[in-house]
Amino acid sequence: DVKVTQSSRYLVKRTGEKVFLECVQDMDHENMFWYRQDPGLGLRLIYFSYDVKMKEKGDIPEGYSVSREKKERFSLILESASTNQTSMYLCASSMGSSGQETQYFGPGTRLLVL
Amino acid sequence: AQKVTQAQTEISVVEKEDVTLDCVYETRDTTYYLFWYKQPPSGELVFLIRRNSFDEQNEISGRYSWNFQKSTSSFNFTITASQVVDSAVYFCALSEASTGRRALTFGSGTRLQVQP
Repeated sequence: DVKVTQSSRYLVKRTGEKVFLECVQDMDHENMFWYRQDPGLGLRLIYFSYDVKMKEKGDIPEGYSVSREKKERFSLILESASTNQTSMYLCASSMGSSGQETQYFGPGTRLLVL
Repeated sequence: AQKVTQAQTEISVVEKEDVTLDCVYETRDTTYYLFWYKQPPSGELVFLIRRNSFDEQNEISGRYSWNFQKSTSSFNFTITASQVVDSAVYFCALSEASTGRRALTFGSGTRLQVQP
């Protein structure tokens, strides 16, 4: 069965802290994604990766970076957390490059920055 | 650029009513894919269906049905005889074949509340 896991369901951090969100998939998928979900805005793409050590900016990359050292793991980093990064963060993975691939999502991490 | 619009922010129905969730999309690509996902209160998005731009046949799966119309750029989702377990946020999404972007462009979602 397909499985995408995220390291935390809930996180509370202080402004200025460095924050790591971890995502692991066990499906040997080449693509991994980080989305941010906010009320009224749906899901917006932060970064995605199509291979180990490869990354591409999404629609809202400012204030974020990512790391993909192993195929199964994709990390989202907030270098200096700010209150406007309080949000729900969703990780997803997929296989292939045609655009028709189903994305499988993790349970999400709800981040509160105080 | 691609865009997905879900104009209905929230819908409330009583159990056993039929409900239709609207989705309108914009794309310049001739080959594209449309998706519906369900997000229950637990938070994880669950894949429901994918349609490609060349296949306009309607799809039915149990109480769920989808109506894809290229002429109106719409991909609407109907739940027949709704149940409390259908309460969730539903997202429509689009991906384009030519951009190589691989990511989905999502609508803002429609929250469906089914009252007993």
